[in-house]
Amino acid sequence: ELQLVESGGGLVQPGRSLRLFCAASGFTFDDYAMHWVRQAPGKGLEWVSGISWNTGSTGYADSVKGRFTISRDNAKNSLYLQMSSLRAEDTALYYCAKDVDDQLGGMDYFDYWGQGTLVTVSS
Amino acid sequence: QSILTQPPSVSGAPGQRVTISCTGSSSNIGAGYDVHWYQQLPGTAPKLLIYGNNNRPSGVPDRFSGSKSGTSASQAITGLQAEDEADYYCQSYDSSLSGVVFGGGTKLTVL
Repeated sequence: ELQLVESGGGLVQPGRSLRLFCAASGFTFDDYAMHWVRQAPGKGLEWVSGISWNTGSTGYADSVKGRFTISRDNAKNSLYLQMSSLRAEDTALYYCAKDVDDQLGGMDYFDYWGQGTLVTVSS
Repeated sequence: QSILTQPPSVSGAPGQRVTISCTGSSSNIGAGYDVHWYQQLPGTAPKLLIYGNNNRPSGVPDRFSGSKSGTSASQAITGLQAEDEADYYCQSYDSSLSGVVFGGGTKLTVL
């Protein structure tokens, strides 16, 4: 059974950093691009970042560019999101999502999602 | 303000047909990028409902359908059921932003 399990969320002060993790199982992880998508409380979905199968290509939403870094370790079937200079508006449930393709680009969509990890940025 | 525009809410009685629109621009839907739709039931993660404009993943009932024309897309649900009450999101790719874009979401209420 395919599973995506996120962890690493929590309460963090503005300006601080946090690293999110996504453990993947049940599929050949390095065959697919992976993404982070977030959802602020009571709000809609917002794409945060994506990474190609071999880390050769990454993409970021303008709202997080320069502050967040996506990475993956195919040997560990793991996806990461390093978040720095956190702001109150980064408060959200962060989902890990599997792409149907191995590259980033116009074909991206998500066939499996994790249950999310909650990040709260507050003093 | 989302790049793709959806109505905030739609409603219908059981058995009826409802449609949800998704309006984009020349840098996303109008540029030929596919539109995909997700269903998010209360308290759960989104689930892929329609991919590639009008294709249903295995397990999704044929009551759900999608279409695309010009800079817009729409999703239709026929034979509305109580369990269809959820939030629905369209998604595409935007060449100006070089990234994935979502609609703001539409809350479907089954009366």
